Amino acid sequence: AQSVSQHNHHVILSEAASLELGCNYSYGGTVNLFWYVQYPGQHLQLLLKYFSGDPLVKGIKGFEAEFIKSKFSFNLRKPSVQWSDTAEYFCAVNNAGNNRKLIWGLGTSLGVNP
Amino acid sequence: EPEVTQTPSHQVTQMGQEVILRCVPISNHLYFYWYRQILGQKVEFLVSFYNNEISEKSEIFDDQFSVERPDGSNFTLKIRSTKLEDSAMYFCASTATVNSYEQYFGPGTRLTVT
Repeated sequence: AQSVSQHNHHVILSEAASLELGCNYSYGGTVNLFWYVQYPGQHLQLLLKYFSGDPLVKGIKGFEAEFIKSKFSFNLRKPSVQWSDTAEYFCAVNNAGNNRKLIWGLGTSLGVNP
Repeated sequence: EPEVTQTPSHQVTQMGQEVILRCVPISNHLYFYWYRQILGQKVEFLVSFYNNEISEKSEIFDDQFSVERPDGSNFTLKIRSTKLEDSAMYFCASTATVNSYEQYFGPGTRLTVT
């Protein structure tokens, strides 16, 4: 069965620090990959997505993620975090066929100290 | 910008009661979904809905659950006889087209079963 693992459940950083959140998935076929963010009191928003092509994808607010097929990974990065990046970050996958359901990681709570 | 809306934001009900959670997907979207997140656990897929019928459902989505799109705008999730373990945040999502995999989420309804 498909599954998604996020390695860091709670991360606390100071402003301007670099961020990398790990995400690994298990699925043998072709997948679509997503990072969603949930800011305090807000709904889930798409941060970035990978369907095909360049494995390095750029999203909103300076975030990027790299798909490494051989490692089944889709890690999220940001060179310099801001206090406003404080949020919950979720990695999710679905397969690239007709199955649209998203399989989710547990989420990573990021706190950024000013 | 169009958004998915959900009502109520918080629903408290007694065990054994029926509840209906309401969602208004983005206008002209074609695919609709329900997910839930039990506190401290992963977001879980419940059901997807397309062309006025269920296209996929998870093991969680048993006979106690049903979905309906009664009037072309609302998308409802009904739980016939709630259990304590149904307490969770329920998220509705929608996707624009048959070829789109990007899901847009509502703010969620927190269901508390006492």
